[in-house]
Amino acid sequence: DSGVTQTPKHLITATGQRVTLRCSPRSGDLSVYWYQQSLDQGLQFLIQYYNGEERAKGNILERFSAQQFPDLHSELNLSSLELGDSALYFCASSVTPREETQYFGPGTRLLVL
Amino acid sequence: GESVGLHLPTLSVQEGDNSIINCAYSNSASDYFIWYKQESGKGPQFIIDIRSNMDKRQGQRVTVLLNKTVKHLSLQIAATQPGDSAVYFCAENWQGGSEKLVFGKGTKLTVNP
Repeated sequence: DSGVTQTPKHLITATGQRVTLRCSPRSGDLSVYWYQQSLDQGLQFLIQYYNGEERAKGNILERFSAQQFPDLHSELNLSSLELGDSALYFCASSVTPREETQYFGPGTRLLVL
Repeated sequence: GESVGLHLPTLSVQEGDNSIINCAYSNSASDYFIWYKQESGKGPQFIIDIRSNMDKRQGQRVTVLLNKTVKHLSLQIAATQPGDSAVYFCAENWQGGSEKLVFGKGTKLTVNP
């Protein structure tokens, strides 16, 4: 157990809908990262937050957004969902934004029908 | 269930044999590398890391070798056990650039009893 928690574990929804994925980092970690893992793209970095502020952006679509709250938990919002958004979404955390070792949560499996 | 692509490189070994998993990284300026293990249905788990000022680093039953000349990284697992069956990812990070980790596609290791 990495200490990173994610909810829900599974999510099934329809195209055009909006969902919110939640992540709680390890105790003491200030930085949160979101990744998407799909069958044909491997692990893709989406976005990073540190202490409530956006720190780095990767291959995140404009339909996706995220935020980190004062209690350091983070939410990833996915809107206008498409079939291709079906994937595993992982959250990872680290102590500092430059801490290379990231600890991953168990992921949320999203299925868009 | 499966969480990675159908076209992953695969490695099949007998229990007790040594395994070598290879990775070619992309950025010659990368100065930090990590190996992650991902078991089916779980998030990536940190195994071992190495900085670019080293050629070799050993952990418990694992060794990482770095060849900067050809941008190649390898993970050696000694006395492979069935519990080692998983997908293994290498990740690179360039401290002089963005703070995100860039992951390789992964290699699926199957250990036969």
